[in-house]
Amino acid sequence: QVQLQESGPGLVKPSETLSLTCSVSGGSVSSGSYYWSWIRQPPGKGLEWIGYMYYTGSTNYNPSLKSRVTISGDTSKNQLSLKLTSVTAGDTAMYYCARVRDSNDWYRVDYWGQGTLVTVSS
Amino acid sequence: DIQMTQSPSSVSASVRDRVTITCRASQHISSWLAWYQQKPGKAPQVLIYAASSLQSGVPSRFSGSGSGTDFTLTISSLQPEDVATYYCQQTNSFPWTFGQGTKVEIK
Repeated sequence: QVQLQESGPGLVKPSETLSLTCSVSGGSVSSGSYYWSWIRQPPGKGLEWIGYMYYTGSTNYNPSLKSRVTISGDTSKNQLSLKLTSVTAGDTAMYYCARVRDSNDWYRVDYWGQGTLVTVSS
Repeated sequence: DIQMTQSPSSVSASVRDRVTITCRASQHISSWLAWYQQKPGKAPQVLIYAASSLQSGVPSRFSGSGSGTDFTLTISSLQPEDVATYYCQQTNSFPWTFGQGTKVEIK
């Protein structure tokens, strides 16, 4: 059974960098043809795909966030990380880590973390 | 980006009612469409993928149809445990995008 667990500061100041980690168990971020993703959801609103790291290490980011986002993996710790720079109140959201199956499985999300709420405020 | 538009934004129905949610894509996405259910305080969970394939373990009262730009999620007999927000999502091209959600409540 794959489990994903997000962690990181719950409060970040405006203009600073948001940094989150997703610890993965029951699977590996460096194998299996999966897209390891970050998805966010502002309070009371819909879902937004931030980007993903393919198991090979290649990445793809939502153009709306591309200039501020970095997603990377640590194979030794089996973790996925997210860095979002120059945050504003608009970045306040629940941040989810998720595993996405490949095109043969229609890119569906089969595992989600429970999410971590990040608030941007001074 | 491909825009996904859901309707209605909310629906209130009685137990055992049939509920239908529609989703329209701003461009052709073939069958690259999934439906997710999100219960309050929880992460979304996939119900339907490839527009009409039922995810393993999902009750058969859920079904999906459509291709191209117009899609439908149907709950054939609404149950109390189906109270949730439902999202469509396209995976035809990145960035993968979601509809704005449809909140389903019990009348």
